[in-house]
Amino acid sequence: EADIYQTPRYLVIGTGKKITLECSQTMGHDKMYWYQQDPGMELHLIHYSYGVNSTEKGDLSSESTVSRIRTEHFPLTLESARPSHTSQYLCASSEYGDGTDTQYFGPGTRLTVL
Amino acid sequence: GENVEQHPSTLSVQEGDSAVIKCTYSDSASNYFPWYKQELGKRPQLIIDIRSNVGEKKDQRIAVTLNKTAKHFSLHITETQPEDSAVYFCAVYTNAGKSTFGDGTTLTVKP
Repeated sequence: EADIYQTPRYLVIGTGKKITLECSQTMGHDKMYWYQQDPGMELHLIHYSYGVNSTEKGDLSSESTVSRIRTEHFPLTLESARPSHTSQYLCASSEYGDGTDTQYFGPGTRLTVL
Repeated sequence: GENVEQHPSTLSVQEGDSAVIKCTYSDSASNYFPWYKQELGKRPQLIIDIRSNVGEKKDQRIAVTLNKTAKHFSLHITETQPEDSAVYFCAVYTNAGKSTFGDGTTLTVKP
């Protein structure tokens, strides 16, 4: 079944650690996104990609980095986690070029930095 | 860039009443307007959308209306039920390639 997957679902880690949040989609979509969201609050776009080798920064400044080497995979990396990074991270994907931008979201990774 | 304002930020209604959430946008080139529902602890999911060449779209108890001249669109939920309780997000898309989301509305339907 076509879907978008995120791992891990929950992560508790100490300050200063390097972490990578994984996102994969089997939707066949070109565009992918990363959002930061505190529970019940606004969706803040931190990174997006139009396709392989394309990455753009979003509206919210973030110390994280992303890569897009394969169409289906869009990992997010934090080189040195801090307590201020504690949040939920949502990955999403959408078609590109059909005049719409219906986004399909993954289940999220809830990150806690101690 | 695009500026999207969503109102109200919280809305509480009695079961069976109607609920209306409104979004205004700034870029007249915007051409696609989806609404997403996010239940507690779940991922946002598309519930209805409308393109700029259509004024209204309905799907059972939910409908979306678009006023391109005034640059606003609204989500209407009729005969609300407790399972409609969630956070609702509007979004606006232009062919520039990126969607802008509203800040969300927390809807509570009281039994």
